[in-house]
Amino acid sequence: AQSVTQLGSHVSVSEGALVLLRCNYSSSVPPYLFWYVQYPNQGLQLLLKYTTGATLVKGINGFEAEFKKSETSFHLTKPSAHMSDAAEYFCAVNTNAGGTSYGKLTFGQGTILTVHP
Amino acid sequence: DSGVTQTPKHLITATGQRVTLRCSPRSGDLSVYWYQQSLDQGLQFLIQYYNGEERAKGNILERFSAQQFPDLHSELNLSSLELGDSALYFCASSASRDTQYFGPGTRLTVL
Repeated sequence: AQSVTQLGSHVSVSEGALVLLRCNYSSSVPPYLFWYVQYPNQGLQLLLKYTTGATLVKGINGFEAEFKKSETSFHLTKPSAHMSDAAEYFCAVNTNAGGTSYGKLTFGQGTILTVHP
Repeated sequence: DSGVTQTPKHLITATGQRVTLRCSPRSGDLSVYWYQQSLDQGLQFLIQYYNGEERAKGNILERFSAQQFPDLHSELNLSSLELGDSALYFCASSASRDTQYFGPGTRLTVL
């Protein structure tokens, strides 16, 4: 069974500083990996995804993540934090092999990002 | 806006009651998923339907059931409600394994 671990339930950075949110997964098959963001009282918005191909993926709002198979990691980064980045971030994995089942998402516990002025 | 709609946005009810949550997927998406988000359990997959058929089940209680109708909308039925069922319930839809698009959620409060 797949699982996702997000290191750090809370991360605090200053505006303009680097954002690094860590995600490690376990999977017996090649995973599809996702980062979602949840703003207060809202649903989940897809930030970026890795399916196949290039291991460095870019998403919305200046975020990017790198799939490292050897480390089973998919850390999320942003060079310079904005106040508007304050939210909860979820890493997720889908290990379904395909077909019309498409597979379910298994989520990490989430990381709350706080950005200080 | 993801294109996935959920109603109602908020629901307050009493223990022992039954409620129905509704989800309309993005146009053309055949697959619908239900997830529960709670403080103690985090985000957990409940159930998936594809074109009207149940395809996968997660940690869904026997008191909970779902269905997907011919027009592809889905309903999640929660019965004999307990305090611990209070949570945010999300619906998501997809057209492939690549991406699931989430609705805004229904916040259920059981008093």
